[in-house]
Amino acid sequence: NAGVMQNPRHLVRRRGQEARLRCSPMKGHSHVYWYRQLPEEGLKFMVYLQKENIIDESGMPKERFSAEFPKEGPSILRIQQVVRGDSAAYFCASSAQVPVAYGYTFGSGTRLTVV
Amino acid sequence: ILNVEQSPQSLHVQEGDSTNFTCSFPSSNFYALHWYRWETAKSPEALFVMTLNGDEKKKGQISATLNTKEGYSYLYIKGSQPEDSATYLCAFNSGNTGKLIFGQGTTLQVKP
Repeated sequence: NAGVMQNPRHLVRRRGQEARLRCSPMKGHSHVYWYRQLPEEGLKFMVYLQKENIIDESGMPKERFSAEFPKEGPSILRIQQVVRGDSAAYFCASSAQVPVAYGYTFGSGTRLTVV
Repeated sequence: ILNVEQSPQSLHVQEGDSTNFTCSFPSSNFYALHWYRWETAKSPEALFVMTLNGDEKKKGQISATLNTKEGYSYLYIKGSQPEDSATYLCAFNSGNTGKLIFGQGTTLQVKP
């Protein structure tokens, strides 16, 4: 069991480009969560998805950010027209159920740098 | 705004010392309190999920207690080892949802 897989590990984008971050949850997990860690800050919730549905997107910026978790394939966090302030580490976590009895399984993160 | 506070922010101890950290969270709308261990260059790893007031959980030399009425949890490490060096995160789960509110973490450095 490979755990939660995120790719790419590092992503460099120029201002105005699009960034696509991928997350494959653990086998058997149908709940996916995205968190962002800005420099010198803690993990901040962005969005919670269950297969094909967005359950809670209260932490997502209103513009330029979107997330999906299709029936087949990984969850995608998409950032359009990136700006320098989007530079951060983006972590994905998954769980088999909600409420979570044993904690989330986290991926290793994608470090986005906007130049 | 839900706020989770951890203290201290960082801690340096000698090998063999016992140590403890505090996590404060809102006492209303409590559902669960999570503790994670986060080593540099790795991903956060779940230690405990605690749901009941008075809960005590133990994993090896690490243990945690929970007081939901006053809104705090303690994490204890007995006889710290250099491999315990990591950032310890607590996270508050309000209601029956998947969303976690994380604290800033306590970074522990154990010197041999």
